[in-house]
Amino acid sequence: DAKTTQPNSMESNEEEPVHLPCNHSTISGTDYIHWYRQLPSQGPEYVIHGLTSNVNNRMASLAIAEDRKSSTLILHRATLRDAAVYYCILSKQGGKLIFGQGTELSVKP
Amino acid sequence: GAVVSQHPSRVICKSGTSVKIECRSLDFQATTMFWYRQFPKQSLMLMATSNEGSKATYEQGVEKDKFLINHASLTLSTLTVTSAHPEDSSFYICSARSGLAGLLGDTQYFGPGTRLTVL
Repeated sequence: DAKTTQPNSMESNEEEPVHLPCNHSTISGTDYIHWYRQLPSQGPEYVIHGLTSNVNNRMASLAIAEDRKSSTLILHRATLRDAAVYYCILSKQGGKLIFGQGTELSVKP
Repeated sequence: GAVVSQHPSRVICKSGTSVKIECRSLDFQATTMFWYRQFPKQSLMLMATSNEGSKATYEQGVEKDKFLINHASLTLSTLTVTSAHPEDSSFYICSARSGLAGLLGDTQYFGPGTRLTVL
């Protein structure tokens, strides 16, 4: 499975946008880009996923680079409840999710 | 949204005993369920993949005789930790996927996790 690289941690201010980067230079044409987040002592929560085009849902937006070697998860207005570990994972359709270390996002009031 | 439950949420047992953890998809049928475990300050590690009615596929290094997985119905999978030892103490998390066509068919929905402590 192709690997992803994310910063270990990021800080943001409440009510400001947050851009969480993910590099995946060895992505293949059939790899989907998934984002999940995990709050302490909870199971991961699905955030968003995409293949080539940018995606929007009620939680976030996913911006995918034209060459697909990187992507950015965008939280439009961070809240304290968005503080979590965010995982960027590549997976083929119907494939397994292999979790990396993720980015620990802290949100300051 | 799709809901996955786990039972129990936490369990404490004595060394040498067996513990069963249930994972249920509450509002959808899950053709595939996955079991992960997570040690403190670490990421999730995939243990096994189970398809309804089939034997589970275990990841390299996971002992299939120690971690028994049953996926007897489209809404229930169980993980039994046999002869548990203190090193098996961990946070066990399941996920479920419907496998149906469409955007959400490929999405994994995770349970809240089960905290196992082996004394």
